Amino acid sequence: QKEVEQDPGPLSVPEGAIVSLNCTYSNSAFQYFMWYRQYSRKGPELLMYTYSSGNKEDGRFTAQVDKSSKYISLFIRDSQPSDSATYLCAMSESYNNNDMRFGAGTRLTVKP
Amino acid sequence: NAGVTQTPKFQVLKTGQSMTLQCAQDMNHEYMSWYRQDPGMGLRLIHYSVGAGITDQGEVPNGYNVSRSTTEDFPLRLLSAAPSQTSVYFCASSYLPASGGTDTQYFGPGTRLTVL
Repeated sequence: QKEVEQDPGPLSVPEGAIVSLNCTYSNSAFQYFMWYRQYSRKGPELLMYTYSSGNKEDGRFTAQVDKSSKYISLFIRDSQPSDSATYLCAMSESYNNNDMRFGAGTRLTVKP
Repeated sequence: NAGVTQTPKFQVLKTGQSMTLQCAQDMNHEYMSWYRQDPGMGLRLIHYSVGAGITDQGEVPNGYNVSRSTTEDFPLRLLSAAPSQTSVYFCASSYLPASGGTDTQYFGPGTRLTVL
C-alpha cells in the first residue's frame, strides 16, 4: 500500500465549476500537508501549505486536512481554464523536504 | 533570476551508457535535491544536499551519484543506465531556515530521459 493515495483522474469540468481534489494517507505521523500545481512539461510549484488539521483559504483555493480520517482536500472555486494542470498532494512528518511523500497527481482540465 | 535550470531537456540513452544531468540555481539556496517522476508513482527523492560538500541519499538512490562542489550546481550522474531509469527528473532548491527544517522548494523544468 502506498503511503499517499491520489486518484489520477483525469478530471474534466466546465469553467466556473467547483473542483474537489483529494488524497488519503496511511502514516498518522504526517503533520505538514502541501498541494503543488504542475503545468504540462513544467516543474511543480507550491500552491498551498497547511500544518496539522483545519482549513486554509487563499483566494479561490481552500485546503482542508482531516487527520482523524487521514484525508486531505483541495477545493477550487470558480475554476478557470488556466487552472488546467496536474495537482500533486504532498505531506511530511517534519517541516523537512527530505521526508516528503508525494501523491501521483490528479490531472484537471477546465473547459471554457 | 533564472531560478532553477536543468540541462538537457530531453535525452535518449542506450542501456549501460553513463551521463550527467545538470542542475544549477542562482538563488543562493543551500538545499538542493533530485527527484524522479514516474506515472502513477508521484515524485520520489533520489539524493539531496544541504550545502557544498554535503550530500545524502533519498528514497531511491540506487544507480545514481551526486556531488556538490559549489552552492549553485548539483549534477546527477547515471553510472550505467538501465531501462528502469526511464523517467522525468526534476531538480529543486530551497533555503534552510535558521529555525531548522527546510523551506519552499523551487523546481526546475525537468529532464525527460529514455533508456533503451
